[in-house]
Amino acid sequence: QVHLVQSGAEVKQPGASVKVSCKASGYSFTSYSLHWVRQAPGQRLEWMGWLDAGNSNTKYSQNFQGRVTFTRDTSASTAYMELGSLKSEDTAVYYCASGGQLSIWGQGTLIIVSS
Amino acid sequence: QAVVTQEPSLTVSPGGTVTLTCDSSTGAVTSGHFPYWFQQKPGHAPRTLIYDTNNKHSWTPARFSGSLLGGKAALTLSGAQPEDEAEYYCLLAYSGARIFGGGTKLTVL
Repeated sequence: QVHLVQSGAEVKQPGASVKVSCKASGYSFTSYSLHWVRQAPGQRLEWMGWLDAGNSNTKYSQNFQGRVTFTRDTSASTAYMELGSLKSEDTAVYYCASGGQLSIWGQGTLIIVSS
Repeated sequence: QAVVTQEPSLTVSPGGTVTLTCDSSTGAVTSGHFPYWFQQKPGHAPRTLIYDTNNKHSWTPARFSGSLLGGKAALTLSGAQPEDEAEYYCLLAYSGARIFGGGTKLTVL
């Protein structure tokens, strides 16, 4: 079975950074791009960018440029999303999605930014 | 940055047909925008229904279809079922970047 399993919920202070993991199983991790998407409470989906899991090339949404970094560990079939300079508006569920044609989604990771 | 627009809400009767659309502020939506459609139910991750305009995943019910219609991407639901009540999002590609639409809340009533 193909899965993307994400790390657990976190509470962060404004100005801090958060790193979310997304572990792939059941498919060839390096064969597909992996996208990050977030959803603030009651809001629309927002595309953050993608990572080529094969060669680590990245494309970031201009809304997050300079504040987000995507990395991966091929030995662990795991991708990471690090978002810095957190603000209360970054409170959201963060999803990873991959597989052919975004066929696989992680369960989501709730990040709460609050003092 | 482009803005992608969807109908905020639509209602369809059980067994009825409805078309959701996805418009781009930069002009006509084409196959080069590689339109995707996602279904999301409350408290769940999105599920991909349609990719590259009109291609379905194995789990996509046959009653859903994707197309280009009047310069927009379109998702047509023919024979709506109660379980189709959900939020639907489109996603368009712009030179490697992607932008989601605002979502359409579909009510089956």
